[in-house]
Amino acid sequence: DAKTTQPPSMDCAEGRAANLPCNHSTISGNEYVYWYRQIHSQGPQYIIHGLKNNETNEMASLIITEDRKSSTLILPHATLRDTAVYYCIVRVGGGVETSGSRLTFGEGTQLTVNP
Amino acid sequence: DAGVTQSPTHLIKTRGQQVTLRCSPKSGHDTVSWYQQALGQGPQFIFQYYEEEERQRGNFPDRFSGHQFPNYSSELNVNALLLGDSALYLCASSPRGVNEKLFFGSGTQLSVL
Repeated sequence: DAKTTQPPSMDCAEGRAANLPCNHSTISGNEYVYWYRQIHSQGPQYIIHGLKNNETNEMASLIITEDRKSSTLILPHATLRDTAVYYCIVRVGGGVETSGSRLTFGEGTQLTVNP
Repeated sequence: DAGVTQSPTHLIKTRGQQVTLRCSPKSGHDTVSWYQQALGQGPQFIFQYYEEEERQRGNFPDRFSGHQFPNYSSELNVNALLLGDSALYLCASSPRGVNEKLFFGSGTQLSVL
């Protein structure tokens, strides 16, 4: 799985957009970008994933650059409950037989949303 | 619909002992994986089970073993505990055919003294 690089920490004001960057310059053509977050004392929570097109769901938007070497997770209106460690992960997609359940977590970005 | 449930939530053991952690996957999920998370670090993959067999394994010694039951629940066993085994142990589940998102439990906090 490709290695990812994220800033160790970021701050955001409540109600503003939080933009979390991730570099994955060695990503392969069949690897997806996944984002998970982990709120203190809880297990990681899936947020969103994408291959090359921008994606949006009820939680966030994912913007992937055209060369796929970097991406940005956007939380459009951050709340205090969004304070968490955010992990950017790159891995092959598909079912368990092809890609397994292995997620390679780095140290992530600690996002702190301030009132 | 219950999510992934793990038991116990906290556990204290001494060096050399053995421990068993338990996980019930989310309803409809047949694949279970286990992760170890040391303080201040991201989770590290231990292994994955489906159809009651270990299918993938991370870089963990044989002291770490597991089992999956016909009802898809799973156990993680750690023998000859070391101080360095102190960590949060996370269980994740997914349906085998749709592996795009894993659902994690809240984990078991293991302290080895």
